[in-house]
Amino acid sequence: DAGVTQSPTHLIKTRGQQVTLRCSPKSGHDTVSWYQQALGQGPQFIFQYYEEEERQRGNFPDRFSGHQFPNYSSELNVNALLLGDSALYLCASSLNPRATRNNEQFFGPGTRLTVL
Amino acid sequence: GQNIDQPTEMTATEGAIVQINCTYQTSGFNGLFWYQQHAGEAPTFLSYNVLDGLEEKGRFSSFLSRSKGYSYLLLKELQMKDSASYLCAVREAIGTYKYIFGTGTRLKVLA
Repeated sequence: DAGVTQSPTHLIKTRGQQVTLRCSPKSGHDTVSWYQQALGQGPQFIFQYYEEEERQRGNFPDRFSGHQFPNYSSELNVNALLLGDSALYLCASSLNPRATRNNEQFFGPGTRLTVL
Repeated sequence: GQNIDQPTEMTATEGAIVQINCTYQTSGFNGLFWYQQHAGEAPTFLSYNVLDGLEEKGRFSSFLSRSKGYSYLLLKELQMKDSASYLCAVREAIGTYKYIFGTGTRLKVLA
């Protein structure tokens, strides 16, 4: 049983470019959350998707957008990249929080984004 | 506002016991989680507390006091592989997976 997978592992972009990161949730999970983790910091919640809709959003600008596909996989898009967007981007999968009292999120290995 | 505080770094000796504290101020509370994160890797789930008291799981225990906005993670019989960052996270509301994370405590275990 594959856990949460993310691609690519590493990415280097320049300021102003756009990037798309991908996540496949753990088998049986239907909910995906995205987090940004800067070096030496804890993860910061970006947004959460289930039933192909954005359900909750953290304090991130509209440059950050996402999508969830019918197979529950998800993409995170960041436009007009800034140097400050350099971070580890983590995807976490879980069961629908409204449908279960299960409390655990499983994190993927992350995508390390470097903006030059 | 939302605030979760943890010590930045701690050092302990192999075989010893270490307690990592976490205090929180959030607009709501529906559970506190501890995660372990080795450098360059994803966080992995350690424990969950939603009611006051101690939860024990092998060498790891976690305590919660909701009235004090306080939790700690206790690691016993420390091993070198326990060297990692330990993240405290609060879930503010039921029906959400939006976690508020602290900055993490970097634990170094010395031989």
